[in-house]
Amino acid sequence: DADVTQTPRNRITKTGKRIMLECSQTKGHDRMYWYRQDPGLGLRLIYYSFDVKDINKGEISDGYSVSRQAQAKFSLSLESAIPNQTALYFCATSDFTSGRGETQYFGPGTRLLVL
Amino acid sequence: AQSVSQHNHHVILSEAASLELGCNYSYGGTVNLFWYVQYPGQHLQLLLKYFSGDPLVKGIKGFEAEFIKSKFSFNLRKPSVQWSDTAEYFCAVSHNAGNNRKLIWGLGTSLAVNP
Repeated sequence: DADVTQTPRNRITKTGKRIMLECSQTKGHDRMYWYRQDPGLGLRLIYYSFDVKDINKGEISDGYSVSRQAQAKFSLSLESAIPNQTALYFCATSDFTSGRGETQYFGPGTRLLVL
Repeated sequence: AQSVSQHNHHVILSEAASLELGCNYSYGGTVNLFWYVQYPGQHLQLLLKYFSGDPLVKGIKGFEAEFIKSKFSFNLRKPSVQWSDTAEYFCAVSHNAGNNRKLIWGLGTSLAVNP
């Protein structure tokens, strides 16, 4: 979805390096998510944020940190990258409304290779 | 813990064949149900969703899914697949209770359609 952008789209880094993946959205959604996708493992939630002041760990947050700089921006950092963090990373936003369902909208993904 | 099970990990069909991909979930309360599709090299896109009302939901590109509450299922169907339907398909479920809910994802089904 063009309303959710991720940079960079591809990144090669070395073990031990710190890297940041950025996500921006123009959908005006409060909720944002970071997932990683690995073959055969589906999507796994790393961190999520329900608003600028609310950040929560997902199921696989170890080795990652996030920053919600504004409603529109949600960054994912790998403080010291390791090879098993090689994966496809997706950012998503959702149009949550209390008492109703929500739909998640995904960015194009960042393919990360850690050597 | 809540879980989503997609029974078919890999499906291979010929063009014009009918498709049914299974999805079962474990949560017993009110749920919101989703099917997403990921075409090769692309991000996840919403195919269809069920929040309430008619349990037969029609989505984009001729796909439909039926929510059967008694079976905890939300199977995806298409009467006649095309080569362009080759993709990975993900089922996801969120329970419609409270504000602190997230999507629970299945592991995905890889569909290959032979021309």
